[in-house]
Parts: sequence; structure tokens; C-alpha cells
Amino acid sequence: AQSVTQPDIHITVSEGASLELRCNYSYGATPYLFWYVQSPGQGLQLLLKYFSGDTLVQGIKGFEAEFKRSQSSFNLRKPSVHWSDAAEYFCAVGAAQAGTALIFGKGTTLSVSS
Amino acid sequence: GAGVSQTPSNKVTEKGKYVELRCDPISGHTALYWYRQSLGQGPEFLIYFQGTGAADDSGLPNDRFFAVRPEGSVSTLKIQRTERGDSAVYLCASSYKGGTEAFFGQGTRLTVV
Repeated sequence: AQSVTQPDIHITVSEGASLELRCNYSYGATPYLFWYVQSPGQGLQLLLKYFSGDTLVQGIKGFEAEFKRSQSSFNLRKPSVHWSDAAEYFCAVGAAQAGTALIFGKGTTLSVSS
Repeated sequence: GAGVSQTPSNKVTEKGKYVELRCDPISGHTALYWYRQSLGQGPEFLIYFQGTGAADDSGLPNDRFFAVRPEGSVSTLKIQRTERGDSAVYLCASSYKGGTEAFFGQGTRLTVV
């Protein structure tokens, strides 16, 4: 079955601390992988995506993610979290072709403490 | 417009009523998607349009749900005989033909009372 698992429902980190959000996927075909961020009352904003090539991808707002095929993982990282990063983060997977629906995880809520 | 626009932003309706949710995609985007996001869940795919036709409607939960895109731009998601379980945020996204990055609107929060 095709699925995305985000094991952590809620994470709290201190401002300035590093962050890692976990994502594991199960997908039958070559996957395209995405991380989206959703602030309250807002739509989903794409942080970064992986299609092929270098397994470490850089995104907006200082985020990066590493694709590990052997572990079926695509974890999101940021070296120093800012209070404005508090939001909900979704990992998603889709097929390597246009028009394919994305399968989303249930999301991880990030809180940032001062 | 600059982004995907969804109207209304909030809709409260009574159980059993009919509702229409509108999505205005980014100009020039031929692909359009509808997703539903229930509380505490990630978005779930409903339907995908390429141009005017529904290329994949496998995510529509039942025949009370229907979507159209008659001129290949604006799309309307229609829900008949609404049920309390239909309460969710309905998200629309669009992309270029052949594109793999979808741009999302802010969603319509539907509440069925």
C-alpha cells in the first residue's frame, strides 16, 4: 500500500536549536518527495522537493532534506529554528509523472519555545 | 491572479443541504486538483483535472461529490445532501501541464451542522 508516515505528531524545540522532522514512505513506483508547511489559516507552501540526483536537497527558509532510498526516508532538517517556523509540516509522495495525486502524511506540528 | 483563489473561505451549512466550493487556479495552469483535509489529518486527494476533463476522480468518496471545470479554468466542487462527516477544509491546487509542483490555495473550511 502507498503511504507516508510522519511518526511525530508534535515536536517542541527551543529557538536556535536544530530540528529534524521524520518522514517514511511506502510507494510502488519511483517517488517524487515533497515537504510542505502550513501555517494556521493558510494554504500549503512548498518547502522543497526531491525528484532525482543529489539526495540532499535545499529548500526555502533554510530547510533541507535528505532522501535515503535504503531507509525509505525523507527527513527534513534545519540547523537553527526561528520562532516563525512554528507551523504544521507535511511530507508527501507522488509518482514521477505529472498529474499524479500526492499522498500526504498526517503532519507534524512544530512548536518553538523561547 | 497571483495565486490559487478559493471561495468562500468559510462555509457553514445545515445537514442535507447542497454546497458549491469554487477554485480559481493560477492563470495558465492547466492541471487542477482538489484535496480534502480533515481535522488532524493530511490532505487527501479527491479529483484531478487536466483541462476541462476529470483525468482521475478516484478519490471522490461517493456520488454525493462532483466537480466540474467547464472552461478549463475555474472549478467548482459540488456536494449534495451534506453530512456532518463532510466537515473539513477543502483545498485546491494547480500546476502547469507536465508540472509536478502543485500550488495550493488557502482552502475552504466547510462546517456541516
